Amino acid sequence: EVQLVESGGGLVQPGGSLRLSCAASGFTFSNYEMNWVRQAPGKGLEWISYIGSSGYPIYYADSVKGRFAISRDNAKNSLYLQMSSLRAEDTALYYCARIDCSTTSCGWFDPWGQGTLVTVSS
Amino acid sequence: QSALTQPASVSGSPGQSITISCTGTSSDIGAYVYVSWYQQHPGKAPKLLIYDVTNRPSGVSHRFSGSKSGSTASLTISGLQADDEADYYCNSYTHSGSWVFGGGTKLTVL
Repeated sequence: EVQLVESGGGLVQPGGSLRLSCAASGFTFSNYEMNWVRQAPGKGLEWISYIGSSGYPIYYADSVKGRFAISRDNAKNSLYLQMSSLRAEDTALYYCARIDCSTTSCGWFDPWGQGTLVTVSS
Repeated sequence: QSALTQPASVSGSPGQSITISCTGTSSDIGAYVYVSWYQQHPGKAPKLLIYDVTNRPSGVSHRFSGSKSGSTASLTISGLQADDEADYYCNSYTHSGSWVFGGGTKLTVL
């Protein structure tokens, strides 16, 4: 079964740091591009970062650029998000999601993990 | 990186059809086939409904269909059922290599 499991969320003070992890199983992780998507409480989905299958290229949403860093360890089948200088507005459920492919195209998010909650508050 | 524009809410009665629009620009929806739609029930992770504008993954009901005209994509749900009540999000690849979601549409089945 193709599965993504996020971990590492929790309560952190404004200005603090946190590292999220996403463990992949059921597929050849090193062949797939990955993303982080977040959802603030009661709000919509926000794409925040992308990483290519080999760790490059990397892209960020303007809202997290310079504060968050995406990375991956293909040997460990894991995706990471290092978050620093956290703000109250970063409070959200953070999902990892794979870019899935057909025989001719790659360009949609499937599957998604169940999410890990990050709360930024003093 | 402005969000794609979706109506905040739509509603319909069981058995009816509804369409949710998703408006972008020539730098995202208008330029690429990488337009997808997701269904999200409360407390659940998003679920892929449509990819590459019109394609349905295996296991997704034929009642869900997608289309695109210019910079506007659309999701149509026919034969509305109670379980279709959920939030729906569109997504597109963009010219900058990033991705962008719509603001989401809450579907109410009356």
